[in-house]
Amino acid sequence: DGGITQSPKYLFRKEGQNVTLSCEQNLNHDAMYWYRQDPGQGLRLIYYSQIVNDFQKGDIAEGYSVSREKKESFPLTVTSAQKNPTAFYLCASKTAGYGYTFGSGTRLTVV
Amino acid sequence: QKEVEQDPGPLSVPEGAIVSLNCTYSNSAFQYFMWYRQYSRKGPELLMYTYSSGNKEDGRFTAQVDKSSKYISLFIRDSQPSDSATYLCAMTGGYQKVTFGTGTKLQVIP
Repeated sequence: DGGITQSPKYLFRKEGQNVTLSCEQNLNHDAMYWYRQDPGQGLRLIYYSQIVNDFQKGDIAEGYSVSREKKESFPLTVTSAQKNPTAFYLCASKTAGYGYTFGSGTRLTVV
Repeated sequence: QKEVEQDPGPLSVPEGAIVSLNCTYSNSAFQYFMWYRQYSRKGPELLMYTYSSGNKEDGRFTAQVDKSSKYISLFIRDSQPSDSATYLCAMTGGYQKVTFGTGTKLQVIP
């Protein structure tokens, strides 16, 4: 079945540590997105990529980095520069006008 | 002012009730309107999708778009406990990024 796979489901980060969240899709979608979800704030766009080897900053890109070396993969790194990384992270892919297909999310907690 | 406004709720209704969920928006470039359902600790799933103004029905769900008023609605008939979730409205001009509402938490009480 086609879909988006995010891993891990739960992730714990120590202060000063970089962590990478995985996102893989087999839908053959060109565009991929990373969102952060916090209670009461809805989904906020971190980064997006419309084609391989190209990506753009979203509304809250500071402290995050991405790569898009393959169409199927769009990993997100949460760096030590992100001061409040505890959140639910959602990866999505999209074809024009048809809305998003979301992964099941990664819950990141700072310990 | 946010581009998309959505009442956060929570909204609590008895089983069998008709539920009305609403969003307003300010960007007249939006043409595609969506409703997502998100269960706790899960990713959102696309529930309804409409293009431009009008109504769309799918089983117990009806989506309405009024572009002149910049107002969209989702109606749930004969609500069930399994409908308990957070409902997110979303909209886009097409190739641009999608803008989401903050979500309305719905609880259907048996």
